[in-house]
Amino acid sequence: NAGVTQTPKFQVLKTGQSMTLQCAQDMNHNSMYWYRQDPGMGLRLIYYSASEGTTDKGEVPNGYNVSRLNKREFSLRLESAAPSQTSVYFCASTDGSPYEQYFGPGTRLTVT
Amino acid sequence: GEDVEQSLFLSVREGDSSVINCTYTDSSSTYLYWYKQEPGAGLQLLTYIFSNMDMKQDQRLTVLLNKKDKHLSLRIADTQTGDSAIYFCAESLSGYSTLTFGKGTMLLVSP
Repeated sequence: NAGVTQTPKFQVLKTGQSMTLQCAQDMNHNSMYWYRQDPGMGLRLIYYSASEGTTDKGEVPNGYNVSRLNKREFSLRLESAAPSQTSVYFCASTDGSPYEQYFGPGTRLTVT
Repeated sequence: GEDVEQSLFLSVREGDSSVINCTYTDSSSTYLYWYKQEPGAGLQLLTYIFSNMDMKQDQRLTVLLNKKDKHLSLRIADTQTGDSAIYFCAESLSGYSTLTFGKGTMLLVSP
């Protein structure tokens, strides 16, 4: 099992450009999450999907959209990137067990 | 609302014990977690404790929970250089809800 995979690993965008971050899990998990990690800020939840076909806003959803394409895949889209969206983005998934979210390796995004 | 606070940095010598502290505000928290993040990697669950427990031990790791003070600690015995990482405390209200993370404590272990 690959676990949670994310593409790309690194990306540089210019202000105003758009892009989609891809996430896939092969563990048959129902719930998937997108976080951003900024220095000194910990992890903040952007959006999550409790099950296929549903998505909900987290703490910092502005400037982002998500799609739960199927049970395996959960993508995060930046329609018009801003320098404030420079961050490391993590995708995670869980099967609903009370004690573990599985994290991907992260996408490091720089917006200039 | 939920809020989780941690000290930002801890430095210890190899072989010493490390204690990382965390406080949380929501008394409804059901599960409390410790995650570890190594440089350039995602987070990995280290251990967890249910709110009806006071202590949990797992090899070199001991988790203590003081519900009255809403205080959680992680003790790492015989700390090794490989334990150098960022440690995140997190809480959830139920096993199926979202997690709220602290800002993370960077542990530096020197030889």
